[in-house]
This record gives sequence, C-alpha cells and structure tokens, in this order.
Amino acid sequence: ETGVTQTPRHLVMGMTNKKSLKCEQHLGHNAMYWYKQSAKKPLELMFVYNFKEQTENNSVPSRFSPECPNSSHLFLHLHTLQPEDSALYLCASRLYTSTDTQYFGPGTRLTVL
Amino acid sequence: AQSVTQLDSHVSVSEGTPVLLRCNYSSSYSPSLFWYVQHPNKGLQLLLKYTSAATLVKGINGFEAEFKKSETSFHLTKPSAHMSDAAEYFCVVSDGGSYIPTFGRGTSLIVHP
Repeated sequence: ETGVTQTPRHLVMGMTNKKSLKCEQHLGHNAMYWYKQSAKKPLELMFVYNFKEQTENNSVPSRFSPECPNSSHLFLHLHTLQPEDSALYLCASRLYTSTDTQYFGPGTRLTVL
Repeated sequence: AQSVTQLDSHVSVSEGTPVLLRCNYSSSYSPSLFWYVQHPNKGLQLLLKYTSAATLVKGINGFEAEFKKSETSFHLTKPSAHMSDAAEYFCVVSDGGSYIPTFGRGTSLIVHP
C-alpha cells in the first residue's frame, strides 16, 4: 500500500448518483491499473493506462469511465451504477516493464443502493 | 501466454504449525512470480518476488517461496503460522509477453488457535 493512495476509502451511492474515485501514486511509475474485487470472485482487471494512454479496457460497462490526466493520477468516474457494482475497487501502479512489481492502494469500498 | 493456478481455495492450519500454499504457473517466457497478501478490506501487499535470481526467495513476515522450473511451481511456505497470517494470498505471474500480470484466484489461509 505504500506510495499509492485512494480516496475515498468508503463510498455509498444511489443508482442515479455520479461520483468519482481517485488514485494517486508517488512512486514515479508510468503504468496504472483499476481492478474490481467482488466477494467470492477473482480479481477483475478493468482498465490499464501506460504513459497516460489507455491500453486495456477489459469489456467494462460504459457506466464506468476512467481518466488519467497524468502518470501520477487515475480516476474512475461512476454513473448510473447497479447494485452488482458494489465491490472493492483497487488501484495499482508499476513501471512499464513486464517484470516489475505492482503496488496497490488500500482500495475504495463501494456500496450501490 | 501466461496463467496461474492456486491449487487450494482454503488452507486451515493451527498456530505454530507450518504453512504451505501451492501455486502452479505456465508462461511462454522467463516469468517473474509474485506472492501478495490481502487482509480483510485492505489492498494487496507484496510478500515476495522471483525474477530469475536465486530460486529460493525470502519475503516479509517469515514467508519464503521456491521457484521450481521443472515442476512449474512457486509454492509459498512459512515454518510456523501466526494468527496474524490469516488472510487471502494471491500468486501472480508476469512474463515478457505481457505487461498485464495474471492473478490466481486466491487462497484463504485460516489459522486456528
């Protein structure tokens, strides 16, 4: 968790709300990831950004919209979510090499009512 | 292509007894392999990492793992379990063919007093 922060840590929202999750890394990395972790399910990769360019969208519904304004910041904009979107959303960063370590933030626990 | 299989979804041990969490991988290139630990409602923390140096890797909190190429395994061990080791453990493979690591489904370690 060191070096990668996520805000807010907890979020409760209704299905008609719009909210954003924020991730910030202070490690000088240039690749950033969003993952979704639901109860009893494997970790799901959502998006990957390398050098601020989106390089992976793992068939994520359009109600999730990522934004990466620079290599240190990553956002996940949320709108018109469904209750099944309730999960722990994890951000990670790494250097853009295939063998380097990913560092994870503490996650945002999202509950959709 | 790369893949990883964690052979046990749950492992239950008594405090003070050895821990063995099993992981098999497949990779088209020389892989890097990782073990992460996740405590409830937390992010993932790196335990240890193998990157083609010594085959026996020592990590934090007394954990270690041995890379066995002939068996395509990277099992995680600890001589004596503590109550604080109760958590979810993830084995991860990353090779030269992809900048997206592949995560196992996780093994839940339960430690009984």
